[in-house]
Amino acid sequence: GESVGLHLPTLSVQEGDNSIINCAYSNSASDYFIWYKQESGKGPQFIIDIRSNMDKRQGQRVTVLLNKTVKHLSLQIAATQPGDSAVYFCAERGGNKLVFGAGTILRVKS
Amino acid sequence: GAVVSQHPSRVICKSGTSVKIECRSLDFQATTMFWYRQFPKQSLMLMATSNEGSKATYEQGVEKDKFLINHASLTLSTLTVTSAHPEDSSFYICSALALAQETQYFGPGTRLLVL
Repeated sequence: GESVGLHLPTLSVQEGDNSIINCAYSNSASDYFIWYKQESGKGPQFIIDIRSNMDKRQGQRVTVLLNKTVKHLSLQIAATQPGDSAVYFCAERGGNKLVFGAGTILRVKS
Repeated sequence: GAVVSQHPSRVICKSGTSVKIECRSLDFQATTMFWYRQFPKQSLMLMATSNEGSKATYEQGVEKDKFLINHASLTLSTLTVTSAHPEDSSFYICSALALAQETQYFGPGTRLLVL
């Protein structure tokens, strides 16, 4: 079945600090992973992706780490800004479908 | 990134009426489109997968006769909520996948409120 999140965890960080958002995925056969950012009342926005044959990928201010041994994915945001405040979802690809994690609320304090 | 639009962005309707939501890929051809619903403070739940020119594949527990999906062209998919009831009130989001691409791009969502 699809992942449904209840009572989203919240990560509060000070502006300028680094943020680390974690995600545990379920299917060891998943070959592709994506992080999305969703602001209130909007659709998910692509941030960064990673294939299963990699363990790290860097973008602008963001880094995704993949640990297939423990089925763990993390998103690191450097120098977090108020505009980074949103809900962050990881997603794993199974077949042609994406399965979303529960989501984490990121709150940036100024 | 690729642009996906949805229309309307917000709709309020009376119980028993039907509501149609459009999803368009604006700058690419989407061989596959997906429809999700999202309740407040929850994750996205996949409702169905639609491929251009063929019948949609619905997830378990999603009534195909209630949520009609049509994917008539490579840039347009529609979701019709038939005989809507208050419990259908939700945020409906579509995404589109281009041929030979891996990333799904999401629309801005449609907020449905059934009175």
